[in-house]
Amino acid sequence: EVQLVESGGGLVQPGGSLRLSCAASGFTFSSYSMNWVRQAPGKGLEWVSYISSSSSTIYYADSVKGRFTISRDNAKNSLYLQMNSLRAEDTAVYYCARGPYSSSSEIYFQHWGQGTLVTVSS
Amino acid sequence: SYELTQPPSVSVSPGQTARITCSADALPKQYAYWYQQKPGQAPVLVIYKDSERPSGIPERFSGSSSGTTVTLTISGVQAEDEADYYCQSADSSGTSVVFGGGTKLTVL
Repeated sequence: EVQLVESGGGLVQPGGSLRLSCAASGFTFSSYSMNWVRQAPGKGLEWVSYISSSSSTIYYADSVKGRFTISRDNAKNSLYLQMNSLRAEDTAVYYCARGPYSSSSEIYFQHWGQGTLVTVSS
Repeated sequence: SYELTQPPSVSVSPGQTARITCSADALPKQYAYWYQQKPGQAPVLVIYKDSERPSGIPERFSGSSSGTTVTLTISGVQAEDEADYYCQSADSSGTSVVFGGGTKLTVL
């Protein structure tokens, strides 16, 4: 069974930093692309970032480009999101989401974690 | 920027057919994907590549595409289908992902 468990969320002041982690199990982590998707309270879904299975390809939404960094450690079956210069509008539940098998060029989300809440407030 | 437009809400009675549309504002169109999200839960993929259904998703869920509009159809709607539904696609380069604003499906 595919399992994705996010951690690292919490309350942070504007301008601060936070690092999210996602522990994956139940599949060959190194063979799949991974993503972060967020959802502000009461709002819709917003894609944040994509990383290919080998980390060779990385994309970011314009809203986080230059502030957030996605990475992965295939030896540890883990995905990360380093978030710097946080703003109030970054407040959201952050989901870790698995993409399709590495041979696919499509970006979509086959499996989702339960999310971790990030609150940016003074 | 690339945008996907969904109706904010759709209402149907149990047993009827619900159709939720998602319109793109530009061509060419990439594949579309649909997610179901119930309150307090993570989204679930219900349709991929316009019309493919993942394993475990009931057959009453189907997807179609025509021009710049994709449609999620739920035949014989059940009370458990009440949820928010989001379409998702990408820009022409395939490097920027976009979601529609979401449609709240109410089962009367």
